[in-house]
Amino acid sequence: AQTVTQSQPEMSVQEAETVTLSCTYDTSESNYYLFWYKQPPSRQMILVIRQEAYKQQNATENRFSVNFQKAAKSFSLKISDSQLGDTAMYFCASKGNNAGNMLTFGGGTRLMVKP
Amino acid sequence: GAVVSQHPSWVICKSGTSVKIECRSLDFQATTMFWYRQFPKQSLMLMATSNEGSKATYEQGVEKDKFLINHASLTLSTLTVTSAHPEDSSFYICSARDFAGGHNEQFFGPGTRLTVL
Repeated sequence: AQTVTQSQPEMSVQEAETVTLSCTYDTSESNYYLFWYKQPPSRQMILVIRQEAYKQQNATENRFSVNFQKAAKSFSLKISDSQLGDTAMYFCASKGNNAGNMLTFGGGTRLMVKP
Repeated sequence: GAVVSQHPSWVICKSGTSVKIECRSLDFQATTMFWYRQFPKQSLMLMATSNEGSKATYEQGVEKDKFLINHASLTLSTLTVTSAHPEDSSFYICSARDFAGGHNEQFFGPGTRLTVL
């Protein structure tokens, strides 16, 4: 069984500044993947970044990076140089490595980037 | 990246009627597709996992006779909401998993907004 918890329902940040979204998880899988998805007002789910649990190096994708603390079961997302287009719902998710395992989503964090 | 489409994007129907939503993987074959439901300002809730050529696996609390899922081909899964009622009004999202090339990622459709009057 997997659970994903996002403790920040809403956050705001000034344009060009940095913001960190929190996520904790629990899983019984020995190997798993962690994801951050963005859902803008269009409601299209967009993959922001992915982390494989067996990799110690934190994943980065341009302005987006994660702080993966495996022992603490923490997987936070840092957005640098925030842009207005980053305004969206952000969902943290986990998935076991087995083929049949599905994504488990957190409750989401609504991020507002202010001009 | 792989593309998943949904049709229709928005549907309004009368209470008691049935509505079919299509989910297509456009440029890859998807042996597994997933159907989610999302209420306003809430997270995605998995309804069922659809495997090509076999019966769907429904999550606890989801009525399989009300939400009929068919996955007849490697590129198409359908969700039929039977005898729809206003409480079925929601945003329905499908995703498809691409196993080609060792990928294990889910790609999401744009969603379908269902309003039942």
